[in-house]
Amino acid sequence: GQSLEQPSEVTAVEGAIVQINCTYQTSGFYGLSWYQQHDGGAPTFLSYNGLDGLEETGRFSSFLSRSDSYGYLLLQELQMKDSASYFCAVVKTGANNLFFGTGTRLTVIP
Amino acid sequence: DTGVSQNPRHKITKRGQNVTFRCDPISEHNRLYWYRQTLGQGPEFLTYFQNEAQLEKSRLLSDRFSAERPKGSFSTLEIQRTEQGDSAMYLCASSGGRGKMNTEAFFGQGTRLTVV
Repeated sequence: GQSLEQPSEVTAVEGAIVQINCTYQTSGFYGLSWYQQHDGGAPTFLSYNGLDGLEETGRFSSFLSRSDSYGYLLLQELQMKDSASYFCAVVKTGANNLFFGTGTRLTVIP
Repeated sequence: DTGVSQNPRHKITKRGQNVTFRCDPISEHNRLYWYRQTLGQGPEFLTYFQNEAQLEKSRLLSDRFSAERPKGSFSTLEIQRTEQGDSAMYLCASSGGRGKMNTEAFFGQGTRLTVV
């Protein structure tokens, strides 16, 4: 089995930086992905970490530490449209299956 | 290609009835996933196909649930003898392709099932 833990809710101010943490326990770990989901919408891919370290994509960055079974998503220059739920997801070896955490609801306030 | 397509978008059914959902993945993707999502929760894994082979099925899934991907293209998810607890959004996703690892899954808009 696998388990992923994220904070359930985070609130941040427009223009600020926010970090959403994810810790995981799983067998056959291959990598960690992050997805964004707006209310009523489908999850959309944000980033993937297969190796330790930081991956940067525009305002979003994601970090992975395999030894600590830990990752985070960093959102910079927050905009109101970033208000959404953010999910970390474990990619597993072999079948390359994808298992999601329970998600973090981010609210950006003016 | 317009992405992952799911039909129907909404389904209301009476308890005890059978329902079937369809998912058309992105054409070159060989991996297909079904998830169930309830309000405030993350997508819960149901089952996974690589081409036409069903490689993994959640232990949470009762025998009332079955999925197929007969030709390695579209997939169907059937729920027999529906129960009110089956009410949820059913999401399909696909990923992969030639020489591409599973680092990005593309989701459909889902089928919202309401069992009354």
